Amino acid sequence: KNQVEQSPQSLIILEGKNCTLQCNYTVSPFSNLRWYKQDTGRGPVSLTIMTFSENTKSNGRYTATLDADTKQSSLHITASQLSDSASYICVVSLGGSTLGRLYFGRGTQLTVWP
Amino acid sequence: EAGVTQSPTHLIKTRGQQATLRCSPISGHTSVYWYQQALGLGLQFLLWYDEGEERNRGNFPPRFSGRQFPNYSSELNVNALELEDSALYLCASSNILRGRGVWAKNIQYFGAGTRLSVL
Repeated sequence: KNQVEQSPQSLIILEGKNCTLQCNYTVSPFSNLRWYKQDTGRGPVSLTIMTFSENTKSNGRYTATLDADTKQSSLHITASQLSDSASYICVVSLGGSTLGRLYFGRGTQLTVWP
Repeated sequence: EAGVTQSPTHLIKTRGQQATLRCSPISGHTSVYWYQQALGLGLQFLLWYDEGEERNRGNFPPRFSGRQFPNYSSELNVNALELEDSALYLCASSNILRGRGVWAKNIQYFGAGTRLSVL
């Protein structure tokens, strides 16, 4: 069964601290993995996208890693800011005949306190 | 450059009615995706249209349907509405990269969504 599991479900950190969000997937055939940030009441915004041959991708203070062998990904946020408070969603894209279909994790709700 | 636009922002219907949601993709994008985000659940893939054709469909009943117009805008229709259809419906658009037969890295840009409430 194709699944994307994220942990933790929610996280509270102080401004300026670092944090790491986890994503495990059992999706096949795998095409790529994306991390999205979704602010409350808004649509998700893409942060990073990685294919199986890429094991790290950075976007400013966001760094995503991918281990295609263990089917795990992480999103590391450095020097957190209040504006980082949002839901972070891990999304895995299928390839092959199911191209275009995405599987979404339920997200990690990050709250950054001043 | 205008992003993905969805209308209406909010829609209130009663059980058994039909709902029509609209989406305009980013200029130049040929693919439109529809997702359902129910309260407390993750995004669920509904439909994918590209170049006017339905390319893939999620695990939703046939009363969820849609179409894509020649200008690449799209409609999502939900017939015989049920209470559990209440959700945020998100539309995304992308340009499929067709390189050497490999479709990859099509970043999807999302609209703000239509919140459908079924009473």
